[in-house]
Amino acid sequence: AQKITQTQPGMFVQEKEAVTLDCTYDTSDQSYGLFWYKQPSSGEMIFLIYQGSYDEQNATEGRYSLNFQKARKSANLVISASQLGDSAMYFCAMSPDRGSTLGRLYFGRGTQLTVWP
Amino acid sequence: NAGVTQTPKFRILKIGQSMTLQCAQDMNHNYMYWYRQDPGMGLKLIYYSVGAGITDKGEVPNGYNVSRSTTEDFPLRLELAAPSQTSVYFCASSPGTGPFIVTGNTIYFGEGSWLTVV
Repeated sequence: AQKITQTQPGMFVQEKEAVTLDCTYDTSDQSYGLFWYKQPSSGEMIFLIYQGSYDEQNATEGRYSLNFQKARKSANLVISASQLGDSAMYFCAMSPDRGSTLGRLYFGRGTQLTVWP
Repeated sequence: NAGVTQTPKFRILKIGQSMTLQCAQDMNHNYMYWYRQDPGMGLKLIYYSVGAGITDKGEVPNGYNVSRSTTEDFPLRLELAAPSQTSVYFCASSPGTGPFIVTGNTIYFGEGSWLTVV
């Protein structure tokens, strides 16, 4: 069974500062993908970043980076230079990376990030 | 490029009524999914499909039915609506042509459908 744990219900960060959102996961699969999504108050799911389990380098996408520690089963999202528009709910998710289970995402409960001026 | 389109966006149902949430994608994706998001929670998979004519249950399939007669469309049917089905429903799609690790595929979500059962 797959399980995603996000232990921070809410996080606060000042504008222009960096923030780390925690995510740990549990899986018996050898090949899997880790995702982060942003959900603003309007409700849509916005894809931010992806990390494959066999990727040796941490993924980066602009101001987003994923701190992947495979042995610890953690996939923390780092947002650098926070902006007011980053205020949203952030979800960590995982998908087995094989066969017909491809794309079956398992989500954590989310972290509500608030960026203040 | 419309991506994944869901209709309706908002709907109020009475207990015992039935309805269909529509989902269409124009990216020729093989894989399609229906998720639900309860208040304060992450998304949970209801049903998914790996191609036309093929569907399978996810984590929370009870009370729902799906069909996939074309690559583009993946409707979700709610039979005998119950208050526990009050949720936000997301349809999603992905190419599904190979492992993410090889193709870098990602999963595209629709904008969500807010359903209230009273």
